[in-house]
Amino acid sequence: KNQVEQSPQSLIILEGKNCTLQCNYTVSPFSNLRWYKQDTGRGPVSLTIMTFSENTKSNGRYTATLDADTKQSSLHITASQLSDSASYICVVIKTGANNLFFGTGTRLTVIP
Amino acid sequence: GAGVSQSPSNKVTEKGKDVELRCDPISGHTALYWYRQSLGQGLEFLIYFQGNSAPDKSGLPSDRFSAERTGGSVSTLTIQRTQQEDSAVYLCASSPGTSRTYEQYFGPGTRLTVT
Repeated sequence: KNQVEQSPQSLIILEGKNCTLQCNYTVSPFSNLRWYKQDTGRGPVSLTIMTFSENTKSNGRYTATLDADTKQSSLHITASQLSDSASYICVVIKTGANNLFFGTGTRLTVIP
Repeated sequence: GAGVSQSPSNKVTEKGKDVELRCDPISGHTALYWYRQSLGQGLEFLIYFQGNSAPDKSGLPSDRFSAERTGGSVSTLTIQRTQQEDSAVYLCASSPGTSRTYEQYFGPGTRLTVT
């Protein structure tokens, strides 16, 4: 069964601290993996897209890693800001399909 | 430029009524996707369009759900005889094509509440 699991479900950190969000998937065959940020009441916005051959990709303070062998990805946020408070969703796309498999997200709250 | 827009932003309807949700994709985007996000759940794929045709309707949860797209632009998702379990946020996304490497740009969603 094609599944995407994220952990933790929720996380509270102090402003300025770093954090790492995890994504494990069983989707196969794998095409690419995406991390989205979804602010409350808004649609998801893409942070990174990673293909099979990519291990690390950065977008400002966001760094995503991918281990296609163990089917794990992480999203590392450095020097967190209050505006980072959002849900972070891991999405895996299957080869040969045009639909996406979504994780349930990690709800991050950054407090001053 | 303008992003994906959806209307209405909120819709409250009585059980048994029909509702229509609208999506305006980014101009020039040929692919359009509908998703549903229930409380505490991940996004659920419903249907996608390439141009005006819908090659994959596998995600539609029942025959009460239908969608169409006209002129390769605006799409409407119709839910007939709404049920309380239809309450969710319905998200639309568009992309330049259906290649799996294309980015999907999401609208803000329509929050549907069935009472």
